[in-house]
Amino acid sequence: SQQGEEDPQALSIQEGENATMNCSYKTSINNLQWYRQNSGRGLVHLILIRSNEREKHSGRLRVTLDTSKKSSSLLITASRAADTASYFCATDPNTGGFKTIFGAGTRLFVKA
Amino acid sequence: GAGVSQSPSNKVTEKGKDVELRCDPISGHTALYWYRQSLGQGLEFLIYFQGNSAPDKSGLPSDRFSAERTGGSVSTLTIQRTQQEDSAVYLCASSSSLAGVLAELFFGEGSRLTVL
Repeated sequence: SQQGEEDPQALSIQEGENATMNCSYKTSINNLQWYRQNSGRGLVHLILIRSNEREKHSGRLRVTLDTSKKSSSLLITASRAADTASYFCATDPNTGGFKTIFGAGTRLFVKA
Repeated sequence: GAGVSQSPSNKVTEKGKDVELRCDPISGHTALYWYRQSLGQGLEFLIYFQGNSAPDKSGLPSDRFSAERTGGSVSTLTIQRTQQEDSAVYLCASSSSLAGVLAELFFGEGSRLTVL
């Protein structure tokens, strides 16, 4: 079963607006990562946040982590048409090792 | 090469045939992962190798699926007696995971398998 679940499944916004995607997970984790995928092929790493961190920024990306609620959010500010892609959260359950489980993803469409 | 390389990029096979998918990870990466992605879906974890430890095979969907990693580098995912439901993109990723700290995963472009 999937460890992470993204919400919403799909999101359509206008260029310039902010996009917020959420991820919930089931078991305790060491780290949470966000990835982006274009065209259903390889994924690209966006950001990693560790379980002892609450917020992290990278350019137009802001990630928060609430371990008490077992949830994370990815905010993309001032979205661009080029941000159109699928976004996945990934967690490594605190079971030893670095097994990494992905959620079902959010499909973001940014209209120019 | 500089990135994770997968081959073949596309494979069409007939139901019942065996297929082998290959992954060349980034040199020096100790962790290697296989995932399966059906059209429009998320990534389904299949198997994970970490250094010389026994692989975590908990995601393999049936005993028709197996994977090995030779010499701590190249990995091969084998699907025996393929079924139509095996049709998907198979993604490989590697990671350095140095000093007991998880690092980002680097993905290949995937192998698209179509079973007729």
